[in-house]
Amino acid sequence: QQPVQSPQAVILREGEDAVINCSSSKALYSVHWYRQKHGEAPVFLMILLKGGEQKGHEKISASFNEKKQQSSLYLTASQLSYSGTYFCGTAADRGSTLGRLYFGRGTQLTVWP
Amino acid sequence: DGGITQSPKYLFRKEGQNVTLSCEQNLNHDAMYWYRQDPGQGLRLIYYSQIVNDFQKGDIAEGYSVSREKKESFPLTVTSAQKNPTAFYLCASSSRDRGYSNQPQHFGDGTRLSIL
Repeated sequence: QQPVQSPQAVILREGEDAVINCSSSKALYSVHWYRQKHGEAPVFLMILLKGGEQKGHEKISASFNEKKQQSSLYLTASQLSYSGTYFCGTAADRGSTLGRLYFGRGTQLTVWP
Repeated sequence: DGGITQSPKYLFRKEGQNVTLSCEQNLNHDAMYWYRQDPGQGLRLIYYSQIVNDFQKGDIAEGYSVSREKKESFPLTVTSAQKNPTAFYLCASSSRDRGYSNQPQHFGDGTRLSIL
């Protein structure tokens, strides 16, 4: 049930935009997005819920396509601080209280000045 | 400040030895999780617990054991049965307000385990 992230890696110049996708073969209840700097803990970015609206966080936003069981993370006008590995975590569509997430393998984003 | 504390930051294991990784949280979260991270593999769930004295196996539980005697603590033991323990181990916690799947997971800074 591990979701598939694409692309595996992205290299950008400051100010450029990027899109990271997260797809699942299973029906999804929620999609979580995290960013991890090398050697550090993952940091929570946002959660998207089934039936919910597109979320935004400064210049980082995300959408959830329930029909396709896919979420996309949009990074606009990227900054050097956006560099890191982005993970999506998915929870099954059962309204469950189990709370376990299945994480993708990550997308490594590098922003150059 | 509330958060999750993992210790030690670096740990070395000898052949045939069991080692225990500590995870403590003061966020009053009900659920706690242990993940293993290898390069290019993402985060793989080892064990998780939603309440004291109860826990469930994740996807790669073989060679590991846990306990949940207190709400704040969820130690992970890497046993000698785990033949390839070298990895970065992350502990996380979350609340169950409105359902665990709605709540973000908060991560500790990790423990890097290596074999001597």
